[in-house]
Amino acid sequence: ETGVTQTPRHLVMGMTNKKSLKCEQHLGHNAMYWYKQSAKKPLELMFVYNFKEQTENNSVPSRFSPECPNSSHLFLHLHTLQPEDSALYLCASSQVQGGYGYTFGSGTRLTVV
Amino acid sequence: GQQVMQIPQYQHVQEGEDFTTYCNSSTTLSNIQWYKQRPGGHPVFLIQLVKSGEVKKQKRLTFQFGEAKKNSSLHITATQTTDVGTYFCAGPTILDSGGGADGLTFGKGTHLIIQP
Repeated sequence: ETGVTQTPRHLVMGMTNKKSLKCEQHLGHNAMYWYKQSAKKPLELMFVYNFKEQTENNSVPSRFSPECPNSSHLFLHLHTLQPEDSALYLCASSQVQGGYGYTFGSGTRLTVV
Repeated sequence: GQQVMQIPQYQHVQEGEDFTTYCNSSTTLSNIQWYKQRPGGHPVFLIQLVKSGEVKKQKRLTFQFGEAKKNSSLHITATQTTDVGTYFCAGPTILDSGGGADGLTFGKGTHLIIQP
């Protein structure tokens, strides 16, 4: 257990479905992130929340919608996804200016059919 | 835009041999971080380097940050089967406007494969 918990671990959804990914951190960190990891591509930064405020949206399509109700919880709402969105979605948290790196969750393996 | 490049992409070694992965950034970095991801796992933070020319060691792992703060390396001495995985470097994201931004930009990683 890393201190960052992601659910579900696996998700299969159709292109017309709506689903949400959940991330919870128990480390007292003040920043949370969504990353996408696809085969043969580097980890892609999607969203950053710093002190609950979204500070970066890295040109992510609107079919991905983040939500951060408090500094411990982060959601990624998904709708009308495409097969190319199939990937491992990783949540991470950190202490801004902490110098201790990111703590990643185990990820949600998403398959869009 | 900012690029963080790593070589080699794959490295096959015999158990007991040394291993080195190199990281280069298109921009000067305020710091660089290294992560390890085991097969089927998630990235795990290893270390952060901040100072120009800094060298840090963790048991058999040696990390270096270049003098110009644009490149870094990770060297593993006498690899063991537990070292198998992908090693990523990452630097603070730099926007195209030249300003800083929250978040890390990762390299594609070096996959270390160990043959017993």
